[in-house]
Amino acid sequence: DAKTTQPPSMDCAEGRAANLPCNHSTISGNEYVYWYRQIHSQGPQYIIHGLKNNETNEMASLIITEDRKSSTLILPHATLRDTAVYYCIVRVALLGANTGNQFYFGTGTSLTVIP
Amino acid sequence: DGGITQSPKYLFRKEGQNVTLSCEQNLNHDAMYWYRQDPGQGLRLIYYSQIVNDFQKGDIAEGYSVSREKKESFPLTVTSAQKNPTAFYLCASSTQTGGGYTFGSGTRLTVV
Repeated sequence: DAKTTQPPSMDCAEGRAANLPCNHSTISGNEYVYWYRQIHSQGPQYIIHGLKNNETNEMASLIITEDRKSSTLILPHATLRDTAVYYCIVRVALLGANTGNQFYFGTGTSLTVIP
Repeated sequence: DGGITQSPKYLFRKEGQNVTLSCEQNLNHDAMYWYRQDPGQGLRLIYYSQIVNDFQKGDIAEGYSVSREKKESFPLTVTSAQKNPTAFYLCASSTQTGGGYTFGSGTRLTVV
């Protein structure tokens, strides 16, 4: 099961910052927080990830609380093209041989940017 | 440019028929994954493969089969045993040491 909780939907005015929250209260010390987004009928697109420090790239900023139980994805100047479903994912490790890093996707937050 | 390619983009199948979805990557990724997405839902893992000639069931493997004969390829067969196959299917790949997933653009399968 997914280990994150996100609001099902949010609106944001074009040009304003979009702040998308995510709760991950059971996160382990070696688990990363990843953010992806999915525009309708396309494959999810990687946005950003982090462990405990805040991170920033050309797309967004990721703010992780000190206790790591929650995080916020910030799109600094939202555009209409940012309308998408945003997924917050905690990377889990599988048990057993040939383990890998599997992602569990929940239903995410549907962000609508309003003109 | 490196990437992951799914084909076809749209696929129609008659009830009772098997159908195979293609997924090819040239990213030199070791791991590959198949997800299913239903309208308004998140992604659910069908199968994954960490190395060639080995694969593991995900959460909803019943009615599906896969093979991993080459590092670059991870085809998914939707068999007649899958009771509700109409969905959007996504393939992804990643390195063994972690990092993010690279997704394909998806195949939309419709049973007619």
